Amino acid sequence: SQQGEEDPQALSIQEGENATMNCSYKTSINNLQWYRQNSGRGLVHLILIRSNEREKHSGRLRVTLDTSKKSSSLLITASRAADTASYFCAPMSSGGGADGLTFGKGTHLIIQP
Amino acid sequence: SQTIHQWPATLVQPVGSPLSLECTVEGTSNPNLYWYRQAAGRGLQLLFYSVGIGQISSEVPQNLSASRPQDRQFILSSKKLLLSDSGFYLCAWSVRGGGSGYTFGSGTRLTVV
Repeated sequence: SQQGEEDPQALSIQEGENATMNCSYKTSINNLQWYRQNSGRGLVHLILIRSNEREKHSGRLRVTLDTSKKSSSLLITASRAADTASYFCAPMSSGGGADGLTFGKGTHLIIQP
Repeated sequence: SQTIHQWPATLVQPVGSPLSLECTVEGTSNPNLYWYRQAAGRGLQLLFYSVGIGQISSEVPQNLSASRPQDRQFILSSKKLLLSDSGFYLCAWSVRGGGSGYTFGSGTRLTVV
């Protein structure tokens, strides 16, 4: 699978504000996934958006996908201190991804109280 | 429900000593299994993946090896650890056939001294 590139590398906002992070990839995908990693913990799967979807919601999370631009964005609304974590995108190419997702360096999000 | 167990949580080993990290999955059959490593300040590096018992694919040539003696058991090993093997090791599984998110274990923090 190909690697996504997250942007920005670091983001610091005030609690209650919205946080937006972006992901770019290079070749066509079957789906794109977002993960969160709290410090010293394993990754947690947040949301999966398929190539034929343009937007998806899960609680305070909103993910968009623009396959023409090969990009995705993750929006966290009304941020909380507990949202402080690193966020990774993982584009999955066709073939089911059995050969492993590839992760970039992520966006390190800090929510200031 | 499906769960993934990874142990130990932390490990301090001297250079040249052997390594064995174990990962087991419960509540599913025929999972795809993965080992990742995350070095300090870096992204996740896929080390090995397996689509079935005895089937191991290596992504990066190195001092490590993996084995899958049972359907839901994945072991990461080394005969002689190097300082560069230090890092955070994560096991993950996904549904055979793909198209779904990965579930990660809680990780093992390995320090080689």
